[in-house]
Amino acid sequence: KAGVTQTPRYLIKTRGQQVTLSCSPISGHRSVSWYQQTPGQGLQFLFEYFSETQRNKGNFPGRFSGRQFSNSRSEMNVSTLELGDSALYLCASSLLTGTGGEQYFGPGTRLTVT
Amino acid sequence: AQSVSQHNHHVILSEAASLELGCNYSYGGTVNLFWYVQYPGQHLQLLLKYFSGDPLVKGIKGFEAEFIKSKFSFNLRKPSVQWSDTAEYFCAVTTPGGTSYGKLTFGQGTILTVHP
Repeated sequence: KAGVTQTPRYLIKTRGQQVTLSCSPISGHRSVSWYQQTPGQGLQFLFEYFSETQRNKGNFPGRFSGRQFSNSRSEMNVSTLELGDSALYLCASSLLTGTGGEQYFGPGTRLTVT
Repeated sequence: AQSVSQHNHHVILSEAASLELGCNYSYGGTVNLFWYVQYPGQHLQLLLKYFSGDPLVKGIKGFEAEFIKSKFSFNLRKPSVQWSDTAEYFCAVTTPGGTSYGKLTFGQGTILTVHP
């Protein structure tokens, strides 16, 4: 079974621009979570989607948004990029929803904001 | 709010040494606990998990962890490390049910370096 895939793997953007990252979960998984990983803050939860609905959101500004499609693929968008948004963005999918099941992570998208 | 604390930022060992990485969490209710590993250049992989039952859980690659509820701890152990265990290790917690949908709370991570 194919794992979680994320595209693109690397991205360089300029401050003020916006960016869209894509995630395809493991087949059959309907829950997709997004995380930001930085050396200073570690792994921080952004949001979770299930059946096209955002069910949970972390402490990030409204510039960070996401959505999920009917095939469970998910995108996250960051508008008005800031230098501090440079990070590895990880997507994870899960089979068990609402029960605290394990999550399977993709390779991430490395975003650099200049 | 949940939080997870990993005691060591960087651990350096020689091959065949025993390993114990500490993890403590703060949450008074029922939790599910995980250890993930991130090898250099690779994505996060699940090492082991605890949901309920036997507090001693075994994972892949010879790793095990013990859940001690009274100490809010979930320490990772391996009797004999190998050079290939060099990686960053993350402890994570989530709460089943409730409103913590899809949210894992991670510790800061522990970098393990194993010298041949």
